[in-house]
Amino acid sequence: DGGITQSPKYLFRKEGQNVTLSCEQNLNHDAMYWYRQDPGQGLRLIYYSQIVNDFQKGDIAEGYSVSREKKESFPLTVTSAQKNPTAFYLCASGHIRDRINTEAFFGQGTRLTVV
Amino acid sequence: GQQLNQSPQSMFIQEGEDVSMNCTSSSIFNTWLWYKQDPGEGPVLLIALYKAGELTSNGRLTAQFGITRKDSFLNISASIPSDVGIYFCAGQVRGAQKLVFGQGTRLTINP
Repeated sequence: DGGITQSPKYLFRKEGQNVTLSCEQNLNHDAMYWYRQDPGQGLRLIYYSQIVNDFQKGDIAEGYSVSREKKESFPLTVTSAQKNPTAFYLCASGHIRDRINTEAFFGQGTRLTVV
Repeated sequence: GQQLNQSPQSMFIQEGEDVSMNCTSSSIFNTWLWYKQDPGEGPVLLIALYKAGELTSNGRLTAQFGITRKDSFLNISASIPSDVGIYFCAGQVRGAQKLVFGQGTRLTINP
């Protein structure tokens, strides 16, 4: 089955702990993205990657880190430096053709709750 | 970050009515995408647009890439209960390498 998979669906962590959210795609997509969504809000870009071993900060990168060691994987670490980590996190992937990002497809999301 | 202004923020309509929403920006876009999100799920791609003036349909949904490359609209005809959800526009600004999203339009349908 082709697609983009986020795990886990729900995650609970204690305040002050780092936590890593998984995102895997088998669509051979070049680009991968992490977004954060708060209740009733839109999607805000955390990090994105266009190619293996390279990534760029989005609009709200502080308190987060990523890696892109493999084309199919783009894990997101929410560090203890992130002041308000409780949110719904969405990963997406898409092709790049002629330097244009084509349609991006989303995973099912991970709801992180920090207590 | 790049600003996408999506309107309206919310809509309350009767079943069977047509719906129209739009996104505007001061920046020029290479790509316009429209998504629908159900509660607790990831957004699902509805329509992708790549050329200025392009008009594309997907069933009862129609979207257009504005001629100025700074706006896009989505129309839904003859709404049904399963159309309820949040609709997002997204796009790639010319010269940038990321997708940015509008704030969403929450659609509620009264039966």
